[in-house]
Amino acid sequence: DAKTTQPTSMDCAEGRAANLPCNHSTISGNEYVYWYRQIHSQGPQYIIHGLKNNETNEMASLIITEDRKSSTLILPHATLRDTAVYYCIVLPSGNTPLVFGKGTRLSVIA
Amino acid sequence: DAMVIQNPRYQVTQFGKPVTLSCSQTLNHNVMYWYQQKSSQAPKLLFHYYDKDFNNEADTPDNFQSRRPNTSFCFLDIRSPGLGDAAMYLCATSREGESFEKLFFGSGTQLSVL
Repeated sequence: DAKTTQPTSMDCAEGRAANLPCNHSTISGNEYVYWYRQIHSQGPQYIIHGLKNNETNEMASLIITEDRKSSTLILPHATLRDTAVYYCIVLPSGNTPLVFGKGTRLSVIA
Repeated sequence: DAMVIQNPRYQVTQFGKPVTLSCSQTLNHNVMYWYQQKSSQAPKLLFHYYDKDFNNEADTPDNFQSRRPNTSFCFLDIRSPGLGDAAMYLCATSREGESFEKLFFGSGTQLSVL
């Protein structure tokens, strides 16, 4: 019962913006959208999360559509170190363990 | 400046020989998790603790057990490892009561079963 759908893989040229889409058409009103990434041989790392407003932090921007059925994670200037698997996760706020889907493998190419 | 520390980084055990993986944290978080990640797959939640309250996932095999003697430490015990248990085991922490789920992960222990 996957709650999110992401492309299996994407490529991005170094220095360009990486736009990673996520479909979550069955999202409930109290569910947040979270993004984590996992660089090879490391544990996953929190990137950003949002409910309905667009969010930005030092790592990325999160754009959520008005109907909340999809979102896009934007890495504004991708570097080789951004090569990783990116996971989009939907779950209610607080005290709910993360369940990972298959994610998108992003390859940043020089 | 590691916050969630897993030792060892690599662990080799024999088929059927009990093995224990350890995790410690300096964040004073009350929630700790164990995930299993097999090659080319997403991390899969095995169980988690809210303080000393243990929460097992329904499909976690009985072969997997966990102990949390105090806030800082958590152990994963595999009683009789099989070849199919070879995987990366990830420990994570979070703070209950936060308005969102920000987990801090360790670097994992890669378990090989011979």
